[in-house]
Amino acid sequence: EPEVTQTPSHQVTQMGQEVILRCVPISNHLYFYWYRQILGQKVEFLVSFYNNEISEKSEIFDDQFSVERPDGSNFTLKIRSTKLEDSAMYFCASRYNRAWPGGAFFGQGTRLTVV
Amino acid sequence: AQKITQTQPGMFVQEKEAVTLDCTYDTSDPSYGLFWYKQPSSGEMIFLIYQGSYDQQNATEGRYSLNFQKARKSANLVISASQLGDSAMYFCAMREGVDTGNQFYFGTGTSLTVIP
Repeated sequence: EPEVTQTPSHQVTQMGQEVILRCVPISNHLYFYWYRQILGQKVEFLVSFYNNEISEKSEIFDDQFSVERPDGSNFTLKIRSTKLEDSAMYFCASRYNRAWPGGAFFGQGTRLTVV
Repeated sequence: AQKITQTQPGMFVQEKEAVTLDCTYDTSDPSYGLFWYKQPSSGEMIFLIYQGSYDQQNATEGRYSLNFQKARKSANLVISASQLGDSAMYFCAMREGVDTGNQFYFGTGTSLTVIP
């Protein structure tokens, strides 16, 4: 069964460093998302991406964040200068279609720890 | 106003019994979808079931069913014949619109514990 894959599963980085979280969405999907979940808290929307541009972004997704789909298969989230409060599980998700069912399929997440 | 409200932070159910997890939503968009995700302790988010706003019948997927009451704006998840492996966090989510990149709004989740 096709799945969304994320790498790495766990990343530890020093405050102020840049990180890139990588995702390979399901191959025929059209819409891509990044969400994050601070430990034990709700799932928060960061950004959605369609047709090579951002569709929607949240207040969390400030100038320190950027997304890219560099080669038609990968979908990356870059955090330019990490802060302690960026520590969270980051989920990539993808969705295919123009009609329901419209559920997004999530990757297994990257746990980012900023020290 | 919260788009998705889950009022049960934690629930317990005896193995083999049925359990209902509550979810209410708020939207003025006539086209929307409602979703339930399961998050086991390993952390991944597993898509369980969806209900479209125009669907006449309640969605079912195996032991999962969605009790959709449009007038009440509720989309409760019913798990029949609970199993120990059902112990997890359950998130209700909604997306407005059809052919858009609109975000999924998530509730705060319900932690379900199945007791042997």
